[in-house]
Amino acid sequence: AQTVTQSQPEMSVQEAETVTLSCTYDTSESDYYLFWYKQPPSRQMILVIRQEAYKQQNATENRFSVNFQKAAKSFSLKISDSQLGDAAMYFCAFKNNFNKFYFGSGTKLNVKP
Amino acid sequence: DAGVTQSPTHLIKTRGQQVTLRCSPKSGHDTVSWYQQALGQGPQFIFQYYEEEERQRGNFPDRFSGHQFPNYSSELNVNALLLGDSALYLCASSIAPGGNYGYTFGSGTRLTVV
Repeated sequence: AQTVTQSQPEMSVQEAETVTLSCTYDTSESDYYLFWYKQPPSRQMILVIRQEAYKQQNATENRFSVNFQKAAKSFSLKISDSQLGDAAMYFCAFKNNFNKFYFGSGTKLNVKP
Repeated sequence: DAGVTQSPTHLIKTRGQQVTLRCSPKSGHDTVSWYQQALGQGPQFIFQYYEEEERQRGNFPDRFSGHQFPNYSSELNVNALLLGDSALYLCASSIAPGGNYGYTFGSGTRLTVV
């Protein structure tokens, strides 16, 4: 069974600084997808970034980038130039070939002005 | 372009009752998945509907059932409600079951069982 672990329940960052959220996963599959979702107080899950496991190049979306280490089964999210609007719960998610998503328990990100 | 719409937003039910939650997928999406998110936890997969059939199911009892209509909208039904069913129920839609580009989520229905 796939498991996704986020070991940081809560993190804080100063506005304009950089923060990295950690995620590890366990799977025996070689082809899969990884995602980071943001959940603000409005409750809606918003896709931040996705990574295809067969691609070695790390995905980047504006201020968001990932460090994907396939052998280590690690998928961290780096947020650069943090903004107040980045404050939210962040969930790491794994999708297998059977189209099931598995989510981690989340990291609450606080952004200090 | 409307995203995923869920109704109602909040609901309070008594233990033992039955509840129906509704979801309209994003325009152009044909696959709907349902998730249960307990307080302080990540979402857990309940099931996925495509072409009006349940295609995948998570570890949830038969008290949880669903339906997909020809217009791709979906319902989640929960019978014999337990206190432990209190959670945020999220609907997510995608183009085909693959969801390789991620799902689009609704804002959820907050169910409280008393």
